[in-house]
Amino acid sequence: EAGVAQSPRYKIIEKRQSVAFWCNPISGHATLYWYQQILGQGPKLLIQFQNNGVVDDSQLPKDRFSAERLKGVDSTLKIQPAKLEDSAVYLCASRNTDTYGYTFGSGTRLTVV
Amino acid sequence: AQSVTQPDIHITVSEGASLELRCNYSYGATPYLFWYVQSPGQGLQLLLKYFSGDTLVQGIKGFEAEFKRSQSSFNLRKPSVHWSDAAEYFCAVGARNAGNMLTFGGGTRLMVKP
Repeated sequence: EAGVAQSPRYKIIEKRQSVAFWCNPISGHATLYWYQQILGQGPKLLIQFQNNGVVDDSQLPKDRFSAERLKGVDSTLKIQPAKLEDSAVYLCASRNTDTYGYTFGSGTRLTVV
Repeated sequence: AQSVTQPDIHITVSEGASLELRCNYSYGATPYLFWYVQSPGQGLQLLLKYFSGDTLVQGIKGFEAEFKRSQSSFNLRKPSVHWSDAAEYFCAVGARNAGNMLTFGGGTRLMVKP
């Protein structure tokens, strides 16, 4: 099966600009997660979707971050405006509801200058 | 809420030597436990996972881990390290509820000396 697709792989923006990341999960996976991984740290959950509904967004900085999964398939994570501390790798993962098999994408590395 | 501690930030071993990476978790019930490996610029690759049953779990690339409930630990081991094992290793705990989110430790960076 195809893996979790993410784009772009790399993005460099200036602070206060906006940026969007895209994720296409494995076909049929109802659950989708966005994680933020700051250099030297473990991934931290930002938001979890079940189909097109949000299950947990308690760690999402909602003043600047937003995410959607309108049709229950692919998802977009947006940052507006970006801050220097948003520099990180943004990982998308999907999971089959019937199993505990997570699959992670390769991530988008964001650098805010 | 669950949490994971990986006490060793960096570990250096010689090629061919044995390896043990420590992981301690905090969770109110029996957790799902995972070990992932991440090479530079790459995503997370699952090495092994524990759900239930046999507490000694075999994974890919010759890795194994042992779940010890009394110690709240899930240490990763390999009898003989190869230079290609140099990477960052993450332990994660999964909640057995509707969210099923993964909580990761801070990671252990493994360096292998020739």
